[in-house]
Amino acid sequence: DVKVTQSSRYLVKRTGEKVFLECVQDMDHENMFWYRQDPGLGLRLIYFSYDVKMKEKGDIPEGYSVSREKKERFSLILESASTNQTSMYLCASSLVAGGSYNEQFFGPGTRLTVL
Amino acid sequence: AQTVTQSQPEMSVQEAETVTLSCTYDTSESDYYLFWYKQPPSRQMILVIRQEAYKQQNATENRFSVNFQKAAKSFSLKISDSQLGDAAMYFCAYRSDSGNTPLVFGKGTRLSVIA
Repeated sequence: DVKVTQSSRYLVKRTGEKVFLECVQDMDHENMFWYRQDPGLGLRLIYFSYDVKMKEKGDIPEGYSVSREKKERFSLILESASTNQTSMYLCASSLVAGGSYNEQFFGPGTRLTVL
Repeated sequence: AQTVTQSQPEMSVQEAETVTLSCTYDTSESDYYLFWYKQPPSRQMILVIRQEAYKQQNATENRFSVNFQKAAKSFSLKISDSQLGDAAMYFCAYRSDSGNTPLVFGKGTRLSVIA
């Protein structure tokens, strides 16, 4: 079974802090994704990566950056956390799309609170 | 750009009864994939069922089935013999078969199961 793990289930940070959210997958997936989930807004894509050192902006990249130095690890970085970044953050991974379902597999999520 | 609409923010069903969750999508493509994901309270998002657009036969997974109407761009999820464990957020998602693109999610439907 695919396993996607996230470094923390719950995180509390202060405004202005630099925050790192880590995600690791163990199935050699090329694609990795970061979403934020807010009530009534569903899942919104922040960034995704289709290869090491490659990244693509999603729908809401402002205030975030990402890093993918190894295939299995994809980090989301909040350079200067703000209260409006309080949210649930979900990581996902998948094989490269094309010719098959290649559905996304999700991690358990990190609930981030910025005070 | 593709969009996915779930018009029912919340629904409820009596235990052992059947419930149908609605999903419509907007696309100009002919080849794509559709998914229903389930997110139980405080638990990981998991795939429930999936459908390829070129397949006319509706997908079925145990008590879960879909009604895929390609011309109407509709992809509803039917849950039969509802159980307490079916209580969750359900997300409908679309993925293009053109290129390596992320899933596009609807905003979700919260399903409650009444004992």
